[in-house]
Amino acid sequence: AQTVTQSQPEMSVQEAETVTLSCTYDTSENNYYLFWYKQPPSRQMILVIRQEAYKQQNATENRFSVNFQKAAKSFSLKISDSQLGDTAMYFCAFTWFAGSRLTFGEGTQLTVNP
Amino acid sequence: GAGVSQSPSNKVTEKGKDVELRCDPISGHTALYWYRQSLGQGLEFLIYFQGNSAPDKSGLPSDRFSAERTGGSVSTLTIQRTQQEDSAVYLCASSPTFSSYEQYFGPGTRLTVT
Repeated sequence: AQTVTQSQPEMSVQEAETVTLSCTYDTSENNYYLFWYKQPPSRQMILVIRQEAYKQQNATENRFSVNFQKAAKSFSLKISDSQLGDTAMYFCAFTWFAGSRLTFGEGTQLTVNP
Repeated sequence: GAGVSQSPSNKVTEKGKDVELRCDPISGHTALYWYRQSLGQGLEFLIYFQGNSAPDKSGLPSDRFSAERTGGSVSTLTIQRTQQEDSAVYLCASSPTFSSYEQYFGPGTRLTVT
C-alpha cells in the first residue's frame, strides 16, 4: 500500500519570505504522480502543483516549486515570496495512475504572518 | 464554467438518522470521487465512479455507507443510522476522464452527528 507522510503539522513564515514544506512517500511503483493541494478555511481543495515521477525536471508554478527526489521518495514544496493568501492547510498527495484515488498526507498548516 | 458543487454545505443530524449528501460534478466530467476528511483519520478515499463502469467501493467504511450516481452526473452519498464517528467533512471531486490524473474538488459538506 502507498503511504504519504508530512512530518510538519504546523509551520509559519513571514510575508515575502520563503518556506519549504516536506513530504515523503512510500511506494513500489515506478510511475506515479505527486501533488500538492492547498485547502484554505473555505474548505475548497485547490491544486497547487503536480509532478510526474518519470520527469526528472522539478515542476514549477509561479512562486511554487518542488524538489522531487525519486530515490529518496521525497517531494517538498517551496513557496517563494510568501503572501498572506498562502495561509492554508497544504496536503501532499499521491496516485499511481490516472483515474485512481488520491492518497493524502496528514497535512501541514501554514500561516503567513504580516 | 461552474466548478464542483456540493449540498448541503453543513448538516447537523441526530445519531441514528439517515443523511444524504449531494455532489454535482463539473459538466462533462466522467469520473467522480468521494473522500472523507476527519480529525482522526485525515483524508480518506470512499468511492469512485467512472462512466458506466461498476464503482470502486473499496473505501466505504461500513455497509451503512452507500453511493449512487444517476445518469453519469449527480452523485448522492447516503449514510444510514449515523454515528458520532461519521462526523467529518465529505469532499467530492470530479475528473474529465479516467485517463486524467487531475481531480477538481467541491467545497465539501460538513456533517455533524449529535
